[in-house]
Amino acid sequence: GAVVSQHPSWVICKSGTSVKIECRSLDFQATTMFWYRQFPKQSLMLMATSNEGSKATYEQGVEKDKFLINHASLTLSTLTVTSAHPEDSSFYICSAIPGTSGVGDTQYFGPGTRLTVL
Amino acid sequence: GENVEQHPSTLSVQEGDSAVIKCTYSDSASNYFPWYKQELGKRPQLIIDIRSNVGEKKDQRIAVTLNKTAKHFSLHITETQPEDSAVYFCAASRGGYQKVTFGIGTKLQVIP
Repeated sequence: GAVVSQHPSWVICKSGTSVKIECRSLDFQATTMFWYRQFPKQSLMLMATSNEGSKATYEQGVEKDKFLINHASLTLSTLTVTSAHPEDSSFYICSAIPGTSGVGDTQYFGPGTRLTVL
Repeated sequence: GENVEQHPSTLSVQEGDSAVIKCTYSDSASNYFPWYKQELGKRPQLIIDIRSNVGEKKDQRIAVTLNKTAKHFSLHITETQPEDSAVYFCAASRGGYQKVTFGIGTKLQVIP
């Protein structure tokens, strides 16, 4: 149980285009999902907290107009990188917390999306 | 906000030896402390977690200890095996669907 999927697993795009990444909780509902960015050999950097039915909460230094997050249902959150540039190339990982009530602490991670911007 | 420090950043041990990774946190309201294992190019996998009402938790060869007074927690892996080689992250959270803050990670290499 507690499986999270991401699509696509990798994407290559041209500079200036937009890319959408999907994060799905397959066997549970999640009101809260998180989006991380991970550079090679570095830790996970939280970009934003995605809450179903409300606006995402962005971490300091993360441009909300560049990284659009939509959490339209209890099983799906999307991250759109708008007008992507080479410096946006990275490994993007989502996570989700099972349940709509309860303790609400354990996060389960998706497999990640490798974005390369040419 | 929360700050989690983790050390060492790299750790090499002989197969069969024990490995210890230590973390400290700054937010006294944190009450949930998960540990994740991440193999190259893969997702972080939860290996063990501990909550603030418990001082120690063990799962086969893996154990975690928590000292709330000192604000530090540690991961202990006994009888290490080559498949334990990976990057390990400690983390801290206030729970209740709130965000988790990760340490920088420890690259563990188990030498056969």
